[in-house]
Amino acid sequence: DTEVTQTPKHLVMGMTNKKSLKCEQHMGHRAMYWYKQKAKKPPELMFVYSYEKLSINESVPSRFSPECPNSSLLNLHLHALQPEDSALYLCASSLDRTEAFFGQGTRLTVV
Amino acid sequence: QKEVEQNSGPLSVPEGAIASLNCTYSDRGSQSFFWYRQYSGKSPELIMSIYSNGDKEDGRFTAQLNKASQYVSLLIRDSQPSDSATYLCAVIVYGNNRLAFGKGNQVVVIP
Repeated sequence: DTEVTQTPKHLVMGMTNKKSLKCEQHMGHRAMYWYKQKAKKPPELMFVYSYEKLSINESVPSRFSPECPNSSLLNLHLHALQPEDSALYLCASSLDRTEAFFGQGTRLTVV
Repeated sequence: QKEVEQNSGPLSVPEGAIASLNCTYSDRGSQSFFWYRQYSGKSPELIMSIYSNGDKEDGRFTAQLNKASQYVSLLIRDSQPSDSATYLCAVIVYGNNRLAFGKGNQVVVIP
């Protein structure tokens, strides 16, 4: 089983809203990632959690707040986003330095 | 210098031909290399991983790694219209769990 599940699949939110994206995997992977992808661009790394600790923050604005409640779950809390934050948000997981598997993504639209 | 470079433009190949994609990386210590396929509007799907110098074959796909030249390639044999997608080269940067992507190459298989 190489499944990473993301919810919701689609999200429309206003600039004053607070919402959360969720990601879950049951493969025993110890690294989990958040990526942002704009149209016709490669995935852009946002955060990496390794063994439930934040190991990489790619200078992401504080309106994006990651959380790793346990080894299977990863959340991305969103607050006061801008229209330019509209994108496909991808979660991925991997064992240490091996294949990373992606969820189906959350298509986020900020209005 | 970018961590992962894919410099070729869109690639059009006739059905049944071989598609060849190339990728270079800058971190000489990197040990883990991947090719992902991404259909428009979908998330990246892992199609090949390679860790040792030489060739690795899986069905119609062959990945080639040359660590001395810091070069990774992907061959798609007997190309099918369903292979039309963007192919992303990815490398785990040595020293952390940062999975870095190239900009991707669009492949169009012409029936």
